[in-house]
Amino acid sequence: DTEVTQTPKHLVMGMTNKKSLKCEQHMGHRAMYWYKQKAKKPPELMFVYSYEKLSINESVPSRFSPECPNSSLLNLHLHALQPEDSALYLCASSQGINVLGYEQYFGPGTRLTVT
Amino acid sequence: AQKVTQAQTEISVVEKEDVTLDCVYETRDTTYYLFWYKQPPSGELVFLIRRNSFDEQNEISGRYSWNFQKSTSSFNFTITASQVVDSAVYFCALSEEIYNQGGKLIFGQGTELSVKP
Repeated sequence: DTEVTQTPKHLVMGMTNKKSLKCEQHMGHRAMYWYKQKAKKPPELMFVYSYEKLSINESVPSRFSPECPNSSLLNLHLHALQPEDSALYLCASSQGINVLGYEQYFGPGTRLTVT
Repeated sequence: AQKVTQAQTEISVVEKEDVTLDCVYETRDTTYYLFWYKQPPSGELVFLIRRNSFDEQNEISGRYSWNFQKSTSSFNFTITASQVVDSAVYFCALSEEIYNQGGKLIFGQGTELSVKP
């Protein structure tokens, strides 16, 4: 089973709202990722968790707050977003990050619209 | 700096045609990995293949084949007898080690393939 699930599929939120995106995998992977993807562009890495600890933060604004409650779950808390944050948010997982060759498995994404 | 170039932004073919998607990469590392991902309109990126820098053997999987040539820093992807279901955006990616904490994927800009019936 190489499935990564994400909820919700679609989210519309105002600039003053607080919402959360959720991601789950049951492949026993120890690394999990958040990506942001704008239309017609490749995914951009936001955060990497390795063994439930934040390993990489690609200088993401603080209005995005990641959380890894356990090895299977990854959340992205959203607060005071801007319209330009509207995008497809993808979660991914891999066996680990200490080997270059681990492939990442992606979820279907959450399509976020900020009004 | 590491870089992946997919020069073909959009390709349109008729069903059953063969099509090749080009990928050229730049890296100073001697050990690296290359990947291809497919992103259908549903949005999920689907892993297709991984190739390490020490293995230049070409690979075939059904209608898909990959040609890796270190001499030209290319990792091209060919779909034989294309089908409408192959319509998607295809990304080539290079794994880059950052901050001594493992690999980060460097994506190309993607090639949007449209297969018409």
